[in-house]
Amino acid sequence: EEQLVESGGGLVQPGGSLRISCAASGFTSSEHSMDWVRQAPGEGLEWIGRVGNKASRYTTQYAASVEGRFTISTDDSKNSVYLQMNSLKTEDTAVYYCSRSPRGSIGDFWGQGTLVTVSS
Amino acid sequence: AIRMTQSPSSFSASTGDRVTLTCRASQGVRSSLAWYQQRPGEAPKLLIYATSTLQSGVPSRFSGSGSGTDFTLTINYLQSEDFATYYCQQYYVYPFTFGPGTKVDMK
Repeated sequence: EEQLVESGGGLVQPGGSLRISCAASGFTSSEHSMDWVRQAPGEGLEWIGRVGNKASRYTTQYAASVEGRFTISTDDSKNSVYLQMNSLKTEDTAVYYCSRSPRGSIGDFWGQGTLVTVSS
Repeated sequence: AIRMTQSPSSFSASTGDRVTLTCRASQGVRSSLAWYQQRPGEAPKLLIYATSTLQSGVPSRFSGSGSGTDFTLTINYLQSEDFATYYCQQYYVYPFTFGPGTKVDMK
């Protein structure tokens, strides 16, 4: 069964850092592009970044709102994707989802999300 | 960045209704347009990609159309499980962007 499980969310102070994980099972994450999308409480969806597949040499792209602060990485041995978040702001408070994007499509499979709260 | 707008922002409907949701892009996105359904407390679910391709397992009462900057999602014979928020997303150019969503609730 294909599955994506995010973990690592929690409470962090403004200016702090946090790394959240997305573990894939039932498929090989390195064969697909993987996206991170977030949703602030009561708000809509915001695409924040992508890591391409192994064939693309794991090329990354980011939204302007997180460029320079967030970094997406992968670990093939763990079939996982990571989102390193630095210099966190209160407006980064959101549920963070990872999703799979096969070639020619987007977001065909999503994790359940992990909540990140940035507050003092 | 390409700005996506959706209309209406919300509306009420009844089971059995035919519903048409609209999405507009600030510049052309070719056919790189997806639709998602999100129920409260759940992750988004892909319904349509490439403007009109139905995702595997999605009921055929959902359909998508459009091109360039104007797109529609149609739900024929609305079912109780279809009351949710619907988002469009362009994936033609980075950064990929979502519309603000249309909430469909029960009349």
